[in-house]
Amino acid sequence: QVQLQESGPGLVKPSETLSLTCTVSGGSIRNYYLTWIRQPPGKGLEWIGYIYYSGRTNYNPSLKSRVTMSVDTPKNQFSLRLNSMTAADTAVYYCVRHDHDNGGYYPFDNWGQGTLVSVSS
Amino acid sequence: SYDLTQPLSVSVALGQTATITCDGNNIGNKNVHWYQQKPGQAPVLVIYRDTNRPSGIPERFSGSNSGNTATVTISRAQGGDEADYYCQVWDGSTWVFGGGTKLTVL
Repeated sequence: QVQLQESGPGLVKPSETLSLTCTVSGGSIRNYYLTWIRQPPGKGLEWIGYIYYSGRTNYNPSLKSRVTMSVDTPKNQFSLRLNSMTAADTAVYYCVRHDHDNGGYYPFDNWGQGTLVSVSS
Repeated sequence: SYDLTQPLSVSVALGQTATITCDGNNIGNKNVHWYQQKPGQAPVLVIYRDTNRPSGIPERFSGSNSGNTATVTISRAQGGDEADYYCQVWDGSTWVFGGGTKLTVL
């Protein structure tokens, strides 16, 4: 059974950079797409972007200027960096491992439990 | 960008059938996935590629997709079905989620 676990600070100051890591256990990240999603309190799901295990990325245009994703295949981990954080970035951040094609054929079937990140001074 | 529209809320009497819709331009030409999210939990896939149920999801959950509307139907609704439901599609360059529908079982 594949499990994903997000880790990182629960509190970030405005203007600082958020760094989160997702550790995958029970399965490899090789040949998979690795996605970050966030959900502000009481609101819906927002796709942040994905990184393929090889390093190729695709970011949500609304966040593209602030997002960087990376992957560490030997450690079976992938990471998210989001800079210039504001209160609007307060959210639960989820990591997901999934297959992908250009037809949207594959759903998101392996999610982490999520981690709440608050932005406050 | 591609927009998906869901009703904010749907109510259903215990044991009756609930229908949650997801509207998008020619969504019938896309693969639609549905997720159930209970408070404090991560979303769980309940329908994939319009009509398919993952293992462990009750047969009471079904899906359809045609024209400009995709639908998830929950038959014989139970209290445990109370949750937020999200539809999802790939628009060719990004993943898009609907705004979510809160299902209340009365």
